[in-house]
Order: sequence, then structure tokens, then C-alpha cells
Amino acid sequence: GAVVSQHPSWVICKSGTSVKIECRSLDFQATTMFWYRQFPKQSLMLMATSNEGSKATYEQGVEKDKFLINHASLTLSTLTVTSAHPEDSSFYICSAPLDPGAGELFFGEGSRLTVL
Amino acid sequence: AQKITQTQPGMFVQEKEAVTLDCTYDTSDQSYGLFWYKQPSSGEMIFLIYQGSYDEQNATEGRYSLNFQKARKSANLVISASQLGDSAMYFCAMREWGAQKLVFGQGTRLTINP
Repeated sequence: GAVVSQHPSWVICKSGTSVKIECRSLDFQATTMFWYRQFPKQSLMLMATSNEGSKATYEQGVEKDKFLINHASLTLSTLTVTSAHPEDSSFYICSAPLDPGAGELFFGEGSRLTVL
Repeated sequence: AQKITQTQPGMFVQEKEAVTLDCTYDTSDQSYGLFWYKQPSSGEMIFLIYQGSYDEQNATEGRYSLNFQKARKSANLVISASQLGDSAMYFCAMREWGAQKLVFGQGTRLTINP
């Protein structure tokens, strides 16, 4: 199957700082990537759809100015949590499809963010 | 509105027994896909099985099979001969082809007892 890699796996930061998480498709090109957030013992909630070369599409209730998404190339999407606060502490996981129109999504390993 | 519903927060099963994890979905699209993912405590999402809305046969992948009942809008996962390593969270998900994104159910925590 296709491989999606995420970095860093975990990060601890101080409140008020910004954190960048990278999502790379290693052996395929991804015009679309999806960013999810998962709080403990909860399901994955879609935050936004990242589109290569254009603006991301955010789900209702997700602050686009706080969660900046950049899809600069066909293999890289980044999520920047700006001015992070403790309530932003969560597990962030990205995914990408081989086929934008059908089929499964391949997931990164996830990034666990802890904001002190 | 909730599009994917998993009504079993937790399931406990004896090793080697079969287990069925329930999943119902809601969509007005004709073209969609249904997926099951396993999430162990490490957090990674492991793809298990896929069923397309036009597939007439139930999908099978090794010990995993998907009981697809289109009229009832259900897509239950059946794990045969459960193993201790099957203990994990299991998520049902749906992808409407027009929307592209994958939407998850609440998940079921499966615990296999020796």
C-alpha cells in the first residue's frame, strides 16, 4: 500500500507558541490530503481538506486562522497550530488517498501535541 | 446529522470466538464506500476492509469480512477466530465519492480475553 509519513510523532510546547506538523506522501502524489484531530477516547474528527496549489477547505467550527494548512507540493502538506493553548492538545493525524475520487485513505502515524 | 453510527462503545470477547461490530450509515448518495479501520493503542490507523456501494458480494480479507446490507444501510465487521492482538479501537467510516472526505463513526473498543 501507499505510505504516508507524519512528523513529528509527538511535540510538547509552551502556551502561545506555534507548532508545525508535516504530512508527506512517500511513494505517491497526493493532490488532496485530509487533517483529522482526535481527542482521547473519541473518534477522528475531520478538520480540513488540504488541496495542492489552492486554499484548504475547513470543516464547520474549525478556525482557519488558528490551524493554518499549506499544501505546497504534491507530496507535502503542513498543519501549523498557531498560538497554541492547552485545549489544542490532541492527536493530529493526516491522510491521503491514492485516488481522490475513490478508495481508501492512507494515514500517517499521527502527531501527539501537548501544550503546557 | 450523524452519518456513521457505531452503537457498541465496548465489546468483550473470548479468544478464538467470532465477533461482530455493528455499523449503520446514512447517505443519499448512490456512490460511496464503506471502510473499517483498526486503531491500536499506538494510534496508527490500520486499514482492514472496504466495501463499495455497487459491490454485490460482501468483502472479505482474511479473518475479516464485511456484512453489507444495503437496504438496511448497515456494514457490520465480522472478525472470525479472534486473537489477543485484535484488541483495539475499531472505526467504521464512509466516503461519499462526491465529497471525497472520510467520515468516521464513534468507534468500538474491542477487548479479547484469553
